[in-house]
Amino acid sequence: DAGVTQSPTHLIKTRGQHVTLRCSPISGHKSVSWYQQVLGQGPQFIFQYYEKEERGRGNFPDRFSARQFPNYSSELNVNALLLGDSALYLCASSLDREVETQYFGPGTRLLVL
Amino acid sequence: QKEVEQNSGPLSVPEGAIASLNCTYSDRGSQSFFWYRQYSGKSPELIMFIYSNGDKEDGRFTAQLNKASQYVSLLIRDSQPSDSATYLCAVNMFTRTGANNLFFGTGTRLTVIP
Repeated sequence: DAGVTQSPTHLIKTRGQHVTLRCSPISGHKSVSWYQQVLGQGPQFIFQYYEKEERGRGNFPDRFSARQFPNYSSELNVNALLLGDSALYLCASSLDREVETQYFGPGTRLLVL
Repeated sequence: QKEVEQNSGPLSVPEGAIASLNCTYSDRGSQSFFWYRQYSGKSPELIMFIYSNGDKEDGRFTAQLNKASQYVSLLIRDSQPSDSATYLCAVNMFTRTGANNLFFGTGTRLTVIP
């Protein structure tokens, strides 16, 4: 079975631009969570979506938004990029809202110049 | 106070030795505790999780939980050079909006010396 997939793998943007990151969960998984991992830190929770609804939000500004589609894939959008948004963005999927079956994708590495 | 704290290391052990990784957490209501391994440039992969006080063993790995002390540890027996990675401790907590998600420590970098 295919694992969690994310696209693109790498991305370079400039300050003020907008970015969209995509995630496809493991087949049968209905929940997608997004995390930001800055170099040298642990992942930090951004959003959780379950059954196409936002179920939780971490401590991130409104420049960050996301959505989940009927096929359970998800997009993370970041507006007005700042240098500090440079990070590895991780998507994790799980069967439902529990975290014990949460599997991470390979991530998208975003560099903001 | 950070929710999850780990010694950032680096921790170096010789091949074949026992590596001991430690983690403390702040939320007494947390129920699930996780250890992830992350190789450089890769995403975290789950090693094991533990719910109950005491030890849980899986192969060369043993997780230990002490809820009274709010302390979790991971022991790696017979350490191999392939175990060299960053080890992330994570704890489930509920956000203000009710989401059950993982809060991670900053990770401990382990190097196993051949």
